[in-house]
Amino acid sequence: RKEVEQDPGPFNVPEGATVAFNCTYSNSASQSFFWYRQDCRKEPKLLMSVYSSGNEDGRFTAQLNRASQYISLLIRDSKLSDSATYLCVVKYAQAGTALIFGKGTTLSVSS
Amino acid sequence: GAVVSQHPSRVICKSGTSVKIECRSLDFQATTMFWYRQFPKQSLMLMATSNEGSKATYEQGVEKDKFLINHASLTLSTLTVTSAHPEDSSFYICSATDNYGYTFGSGTRLTVV
Repeated sequence: RKEVEQDPGPFNVPEGATVAFNCTYSNSASQSFFWYRQDCRKEPKLLMSVYSSGNEDGRFTAQLNRASQYISLLIRDSKLSDSATYLCVVKYAQAGTALIFGKGTTLSVSS
Repeated sequence: GAVVSQHPSRVICKSGTSVKIECRSLDFQATTMFWYRQFPKQSLMLMATSNEGSKATYEQGVEKDKFLINHASLTLSTLTVTSAHPEDSSFYICSATDNYGYTFGSGTRLTVV
């Protein structure tokens, strides 16, 4: 079983749509959680951290359920520029450990 | 913000030759650097973790004699793909941390012909 699992998609939505991505992680020692965005042939860029209480950044809302080992990302009012691959990422508690990436979910927003 | 410079961005080499990829933290000291590899439509797979002045720790299945990692200073790590073969063609990305955050290089697209 992979450490971080995501539905690869693709999700094809019109502008203005709301879309949700899910992610599960297998290692309960995971301590920190993030969503990254990766554009084609580019490095991943941090979109937002994910906290147990849930957090929002503009049109983006992230949720974490530690009991279910489940992370979600909600994008409201999708823009064309949101088209990218969204990577679910976890990190263990020890300092200096690597980020563990999911395979990513591809989003395509069309006009 | 923190910047990591990775070079080259793209390289094409002949099978059997070696390729060196350089990753440099420009404005912070990276206590640890990580090397990832990403095949098309796959996730970033961790290859190895390196700390300055010590041997890199390789992930299972990654050949340490083929992927040589040198982390000679707190701002520089290099990955050398030795005797490259077409199956080594991939997107290689480094990441550096000062234990506060993670910064990624822009990646190197390696094509072995």
